[in-house]
Amino acid sequence: GNSVTQMEGPVTLSEEAFLTINCTYTATGYPSLFWYVQYPGEGLQLLLKATKADDKGSNKGFEATYRKETTSFHLEKGSVQVSDSAVYFCARSSYNQGGKLIFGQGTELSVKP
Amino acid sequence: EAGVTQSPTHLIKTRGQQATLRCSPISGHTSVYWYQQALGLGLQFLLWYDEGEERNRGNFPPRFSGRQFPNYSSELNVNALELEDSALYLCASSLRQGNQPQHFGDGTRLSIL
Repeated sequence: GNSVTQMEGPVTLSEEAFLTINCTYTATGYPSLFWYVQYPGEGLQLLLKATKADDKGSNKGFEATYRKETTSFHLEKGSVQVSDSAVYFCARSSYNQGGKLIFGQGTELSVKP
Repeated sequence: EAGVTQSPTHLIKTRGQQATLRCSPISGHTSVYWYQQALGLGLQFLLWYDEGEERNRGNFPPRFSGRQFPNYSSELNVNALELEDSALYLCASSLRQGNQPQHFGDGTRLSIL
């Protein structure tokens, strides 16, 4: 099938801890992969993207590498801040899928001072 | 650059009524997408419009409909509202070509009493 699976939350970390949120996908073809972040009461913000195998997307200290061999796109950050507390969504798209994004279920991150 | 704007921010309706939600895309974007974010159900794709035409539709009943205007803005109409239609409705826009990232608005919170 065509789906996106994220690690379950909530994830609770102390400030300056290392963050990994796992994401794996299934797809036919070669989808583009995205991470979005949703702060309370807001819509989704594009955090980073990768369009082909071995691409690394990065933004605001977050990184994710498109791994075709393991069909994964794990999100990492070396040192989280309280302001990173939000829900993170992994998503995939494919031009042949009629434009839609397929989202994972979201992972809630809570960072404590 | 102005982002995707949605109106109204909140909408309260009763069962059986009709709701209209509006979306203005980022300038230069021709594609508009609608998603439903219901509690416990994650983000579900509703509709994709491009150049005034409906290009793809998610697994929703026909009482969910919409249109795109010549200026690329869009509206989503939900007829015969049911309690389970209560959700955050997110609009996104993108450039038309290939796997372009979608940029989201802050959503309309629809509450059905």
